[in-house]
Amino acid sequence: AQSVTQLDSQVPVFEEAPVELRCNYSSSVSVYLFWYVQYPNQGLQLLLKYLSGSTLVESINGFEAEFNKSQTSFHLRKPSVHISDTAEYFCAVTAWDAGNMLTFGGGTRLMVKP
Amino acid sequence: DADVTQTPRNRITKTGKRIMLECSQTKGHDRMYWYRQDPGLGLRLIYYSFDVKDINKGEISDGYSVSRQAQAKFSLSLESAIPNQTALYFCATSDSRLPGQGYNEQFFGPGTRLTVL
Repeated sequence: AQSVTQLDSQVPVFEEAPVELRCNYSSSVSVYLFWYVQYPNQGLQLLLKYLSGSTLVESINGFEAEFNKSQTSFHLRKPSVHISDTAEYFCAVTAWDAGNMLTFGGGTRLMVKP
Repeated sequence: DADVTQTPRNRITKTGKRIMLECSQTKGHDRMYWYRQDPGLGLRLIYYSFDVKDINKGEISDGYSVSRQAQAKFSLSLESAIPNQTALYFCATSDSRLPGQGYNEQFFGPGTRLTVL
């Protein structure tokens, strides 16, 4: 079985500042890792994913995440946030033998202030 | 039009009432899922269906039942609603037939906010 811990429930940050949302996972087998974003009153959208290959993955809107196997982490970063990045972000994990089932972290609410 | 739709979007009901939440998809996917979202707990899987005749319990199925009426429709029922079932409910779909690397992306509906008084 897998589990996911998002260390911060809320992260307030000023516009144009850098941000890091932390995610740690546990699993006894190889994993696939994801970040989903939920904008207010909307469903979840896939932001980026790590399946294999390069440990640094990027999204189209400037976010990136790095898979660190030794630290069992998949932190999400952005060098300069915008007001429009205000949302809740969920880290999720699945494993090759998990039948496509996702296990989600508790979520981090990113609040970007002007 | 949205690929995954949920009805109703909001519902307020009373303890003991039977409630049905519906999910429809036009993506042609074979797999469908029901999750509930609670603050601080993320999303937890209630039930999932890999095809019309294959329905499975998830992490928190007690108090819920489901029906897969067709490949495109997956309904969640609360037989006798209780206040701790107040939550945001999401339906999701995925396609097992797409080539991939061991994972098929799940696509989420907009959610149903359910309040049980």
